[in-house]
Amino acid sequence: EVRLVESGGGVARPGGSPRLSCVASGFTFQDHGMSWVRQAPGKGLEWVASINWNGDTRGLADSVKGRVTITRDNTRNTLYLQMSALRVEDTAVYYCARGVTSDWDQPSDFWGQGTVVTVSA
Amino acid sequence: EIVLTQSPGTLSLSPGETATLSCRASQFVSSSRLAWYQQKPGQAPRLLIYGVSNRATGIPDRVSGSGSGTDFTLTISRLEPDDFAVYYCQQYATSVTFGGGTTVAIK
Repeated sequence: EVRLVESGGGVARPGGSPRLSCVASGFTFQDHGMSWVRQAPGKGLEWVASINWNGDTRGLADSVKGRVTITRDNTRNTLYLQMSALRVEDTAVYYCARGVTSDWDQPSDFWGQGTVVTVSA
Repeated sequence: EIVLTQSPGTLSLSPGETATLSCRASQFVSSSRLAWYQQKPGQAPRLLIYGVSNRATGIPDRVSGSGSGTDFTLTISRLEPDDFAVYYCQQYATSVTFGGGTTVAIK
């Protein structure tokens, strides 16, 4: 069974630098690109970042460029999102999602349940 | 950035009817790189369609996608109670973006 379990969310201060993690199981992690997608309270889906199977190629949304880094550790089956210079508008549920292929720019066929990041002073 | 505009915002239908959802792109979406997702309250999204018209695993054939270029459509025939949800389109031709969503509500 494919499982994606996110962690690292919580209450963070504006300007903070939390790191989100996503542990994958039930499939060969290094065969798939991975993504982070967020959803602000009551709003739609917003793509944040994606990475290809070996980390060589990545994509970032303009709204987070320069403030976010996506990485992966295929030996630990783990995806990361390092955030910095947090803003109130970064408050959202952050989903980890598996790409259908090994590329970064792909639709996502499995999603975790999300981790909530709340940015508040 | 390719902006995706979904319409209508809300579609009110009865079980058994057909839902037709539109997704319009601000630029040409190359290589048919467009997908559709369903999301229910409190749940993660679920992939329905990728590559404009390819159904994801386990998606019934009464769910279909069509279109090309800048205009795309998701059609759900014979609506069942489980189909009432929010639907999002996504393009992955030029970076990745999502549309704003269409709510299919029970009339």
